[in-house]
Amino acid sequence: DTAVSQTPKYLVTQMGNDKSIKCEQNLGHDTMYWYKQDSKKFLKIMFSYNNKELIINETVPNRFSPKSPDKAHLNLHINSLELGDSAVYFCASSQIIWGNYGYTFGSGTRLTVV
Amino acid sequence: SQQGEEDPQALSIQEGENATMNCSYKTSINNLQWYRQNSGRGLVHLILIRSNEREKHSGRLRVTLDTSKKSSSLLITASRAADTASYFCATEETSGSRLTFGEGTQLTVNP
Repeated sequence: DTAVSQTPKYLVTQMGNDKSIKCEQNLGHDTMYWYKQDSKKFLKIMFSYNNKELIINETVPNRFSPKSPDKAHLNLHINSLELGDSAVYFCASSQIIWGNYGYTFGSGTRLTVV
Repeated sequence: SQQGEEDPQALSIQEGENATMNCSYKTSINNLQWYRQNSGRGLVHLILIRSNEREKHSGRLRVTLDTSKKSSSLLITASRAADTASYFCATEETSGSRLTFGEGTQLTVNP
């Protein structure tokens, strides 16, 4: 029973394509996040949603569009992919938006743009 | 800007030795957390220490927090080869509902 599951695990695509990454959590958490990890393992937050409402939208190109159909799902759609988008994308969830709780991370989606 | 800096960037020890990793941050925090990431895997939450706590233990892990120096340390005692991983500190700032991660320490425990 995977707590936070992401699909696909690997994604190889050509520049200019549009792709989506899906994330689902079965923990009953209120808040979900997208993080990007670059080749140097630096993790940076992209978006957070609390109960389907967008809370954080970091300086991310508007080619990236998150969608949360319900509080258990947070998908990431990327338009017009660029070489620099190659990274590992992690979905995470936490029990509530503020408060002393750890995050539960998915296993990541390794995106390679060629 | 990046919140946390970790030291050292890489640490190589023998099984049975203790490993100490340090983390510094810049702003006021609600809590500080440590995560482990095995190669090619997601991050796993290890331990959380609140801003009003100074020390916390969990199994072979000991975390300290010094808010006056804006620093934390993670001690892993009696290390095992399976502890080989990257370790990240992350801070939940008082101003925002997010975790900001440090650059990570790559720990290698040699059998």
